[in-house]
Amino acid sequence: EVHLVESGGGLVRPGGSLRLSCEASGFTFSSYWMTWVRQAPGRGLEWVANIKEDETEKNYADPVRGRFTISRDNAKNSLYLQMNSLRAEDSAIYYCARYVRAFDYWGRGTLVTVSS
Amino acid sequence: DVVMTQTPLSLSVTPGQPASISCKSSQSLLYTNGRTFLYWYVLKTGRSPQLLIYEVSKRFSGAPERFSGSGSGTDFTLTISRVEAEDVGLYYCMQSTHLPITFGPGTTVDL
Repeated sequence: EVHLVESGGGLVRPGGSLRLSCEASGFTFSSYWMTWVRQAPGRGLEWVANIKEDETEKNYADPVRGRFTISRDNAKNSLYLQMNSLRAEDSAIYYCARYVRAFDYWGRGTLVTVSS
Repeated sequence: DVVMTQTPLSLSVTPGQPASISCKSSQSLLYTNGRTFLYWYVLKTGRSPQLLIYEVSKRFSGAPERFSGSGSGTDFTLTISRVEAEDVGLYYCMQSTHLPITFGPGTTVDL
């Protein structure tokens, strides 16, 4: 059974940094693209970034490009999102998901709150 | 960016009755390989999003048979043949034919 568990969320001040993690199990992690998606309070789903199996390709949404970095460690079956220069509008639940053109399996999410 | 629009944004349903949600894209979602990367998800309170339909009309593993998808090009529809109480939630269409990947605004389905 595919299982994705996010961690690392919390309260951070504007301009601060946070690193999210996603631990995967139940499938061959190194064979799949992975992605981060977020949902801000009262707003819809927003794609954030995705990463190829071997990290040779990464894509970002415009609002986060240059501030967020997606990475992975296939030996640890883990996906990461380094978030720098955080803004209030980055406050959201962050989900990791497996990417097969669709996001077929999702984690439960981790809450990030950016506030002074 | 491809803009995804959904109608209606809110839908009150009656158990046992059919329901449908429309999704339109600002560009064709037909990819060069002949596939159309249009998906439907549901987000229920306290749960992570669930994939219902992939590539317009294919039902994902575990999605109830009462859910179906149709459409082509820029116009797509999610249909629930007979609504059940457990279908309450937020429904999103999404495209991954073009980068950035974009979602519709969501349709709230309630009883």
